[in-house]
Amino acid sequence: KAGVTQTPRYLIKTRGQQVTLSCSPISGHRSVSWYQQTPGQGLQFLFEYFSETQRNKGNFPGRFSGRQFSNSRSEMNVSTLELGDSALYLCASSSWTGVQETQYFGPGTRLLVL
Amino acid sequence: KQEVTQIPAALSVPEGENLVLNCSFTDSAIYNLQWFRQDPGKGLTSLLLIQSSQREQTSGRLNASLDKSSGRSTLYIAASQPGDSATYLCAVKRGETSGSRLTFGEGTQLTVNP
Repeated sequence: KAGVTQTPRYLIKTRGQQVTLSCSPISGHRSVSWYQQTPGQGLQFLFEYFSETQRNKGNFPGRFSGRQFSNSRSEMNVSTLELGDSALYLCASSSWTGVQETQYFGPGTRLLVL
Repeated sequence: KQEVTQIPAALSVPEGENLVLNCSFTDSAIYNLQWFRQDPGKGLTSLLLIQSSQREQTSGRLNASLDKSSGRSTLYIAASQPGDSATYLCAVKRGETSGSRLTFGEGTQLTVNP
């Protein structure tokens, strides 16, 4: 099975622009979660989508948004970029087996805001 | 609010040594705890998952234990190798109905010297 894929892998933007990141989960996985990783804050939960519905949301401003499509692929969008949005953005997909749930992470998208 | 702490923040050992990484969490009402490995600039690789009803899990040279009542988990690595050099993160999931949201510790950066 192919793993979680994220595109693009690297991105450079300037302040005020917007950006869209994409995540394709493992086939059959219906849950996709997004995390932001920075040296100062570590890994912070952004939001989770399950069957095209947002199931959980972290403490991030409304500039951060996401969506999930019927094929479980997910996108996250950041509008009006700030320097502090520079980070590694990771997505994870998971599937509940009825016994346990393991999350599988993609390689991440590294965003640099200048 | 769940907080996860990992000690030490960094660890350097000679090859062949056995070592223990520590993880503590403030809210014992967890559903499971997962240990991940992250190589520089890369995504996360799941190492071990312990359900709240379990005491330990083993995979090869890795053994993870969980003491939910005291809010602690340890990751034991036997006969360390240079290839084990990475950042190790622990993460807890709050409850079965909390979706897939994980709360992460800051990680322990491990260096195994040849």
